[in-house]
Amino acid sequence: DAKTTQPTSMDCAEGRAANLPCNHSTISGNEYVYWYRQIHSQGPQYIIHGLKNNETNEMASLIITEDRKSSTLILPHATLRDTAVYYCIVRVPQNQGGKLIFGQGTELSVKP
Amino acid sequence: GAVVSQHPSRVICKSGTSVKIECRSLDFQATTMFWYRQFPKQSLMLMATSNEGSKATYEQGVEKDKFLINHASLTLSTLTVTSAHPEDSSFYICSARDRGGFTEAFFGQGTRLTVV
Repeated sequence: DAKTTQPTSMDCAEGRAANLPCNHSTISGNEYVYWYRQIHSQGPQYIIHGLKNNETNEMASLIITEDRKSSTLILPHATLRDTAVYYCIVRVPQNQGGKLIFGQGTELSVKP
Repeated sequence: GAVVSQHPSRVICKSGTSVKIECRSLDFQATTMFWYRQFPKQSLMLMATSNEGSKATYEQGVEKDKFLINHASLTLSTLTVTSAHPEDSSFYICSARDRGGFTEAFFGQGTRLTVV
């Protein structure tokens, strides 16, 4: 079973920051948090991942709370093309297969 | 990011026939590949983990004799849906991770299977 809970849906205005929350209260110390997104009828696209520290790349920022029980994905300037389902995933440890188990995700709608 | 290619992207087959889906890592070597299935308006469901040179590990409830997985090389894994039936119609997606194991997994574009 997925170890994360996310809101079912969110709206964001174009050009504004989109902040997508994720709860993973049962995360273990060696489990990474991954974020992917899926645009309709395509394969998921990798966004970012992290363990303890906040991370930033060209797509997004990932803020992980100090207790690691929750995280937030930030899209700094959302565009219409960012409309997608966003999945927050706690990856199974490598020595247990390293699987990505998907939850239901958050359907983000970016509106003009 | 790295590229994972699936073929075909769409396939329609008759009930009772078998269909093979290929998943290739184009610019890296993947010791591990994963196969998922996704029904409309649902999330991805992991079917099996495919390890190069060894038998695949199937998730609970997935019939290994119906969904045959072969991972013969570091760049290719195949999923064969045997004796397909209309209820097998779905979106099948593979992902692959670089042999290092500590990086992100990359996903193929998916294969839409329709069994008529």
